[in-house]
Amino acid sequence: GAGVSQSPSNKVTEKGKDVELRCDPISGHTALYWYRQSLGQGLEFLIYFQGNSAPDKSGLPSDRFSAERTGGSVSTLTIQRTQQEDSAVYLCASSIGQQETQYFGPGTRLLVL
Amino acid sequence: KQEVTQIPAALSVPEGENLVLNCSFTDSAIYNLQWFRQDPGKGLTSLLLIQSSQREQTSGRLNASLDKSSGRSTLYIAASQPGDSATYLCAVSSYGKLTFGQGTILTVHP
Repeated sequence: GAGVSQSPSNKVTEKGKDVELRCDPISGHTALYWYRQSLGQGLEFLIYFQGNSAPDKSGLPSDRFSAERTGGSVSTLTIQRTQQEDSAVYLCASSIGQQETQYFGPGTRLLVL
Repeated sequence: KQEVTQIPAALSVPEGENLVLNCSFTDSAIYNLQWFRQDPGKGLTSLLLIQSSQREQTSGRLNASLDKSSGRSTLYIAASQPGDSATYLCAVSSYGKLTFGQGTILTVHP
């Protein structure tokens, strides 16, 4: 079956612009996660959704970052007023339940110039 | 705050060798531990998940063990092949959120 998909695969933007990253989880997976992978910081947790609610937003680095999930499916991660330090690969994962295997998408590579 | 450490940072072995990758974590209050592989420029592929109540899991040539009380896990790869070359990441789960180690870069040369 289809895995987790993310779009765009690559995004180049100018400092100060807003960007939206999209994640389509595996059908039927109620849990959805966003992570960020950068050279200096490794893989970091950003936010976790159970259904449409986000019980854990503890990893969002600043109030410029927000995420939503609608219909218990697609999620978008929005970064406002992008900064160069936001450059990273943004990975989305989904799982059937909170304690089950997380399946990752291919990621969106974001470059802020 | 949970911290995950992986040793070694890099490993280069000839084809056919058995090898062990190590992972340690500081907080034993975990739900499970997952091992992933990541190929250059790609996402993560799940290899094994061990629930906190389990001691080990096996999949093909891979065997992962978990000692929750001592905060350690090992990934054993039998009869390594060049196709096993990748970065191996361990991650511990608490309330869904995964905390990752920095990874072990494995190179298996023919």
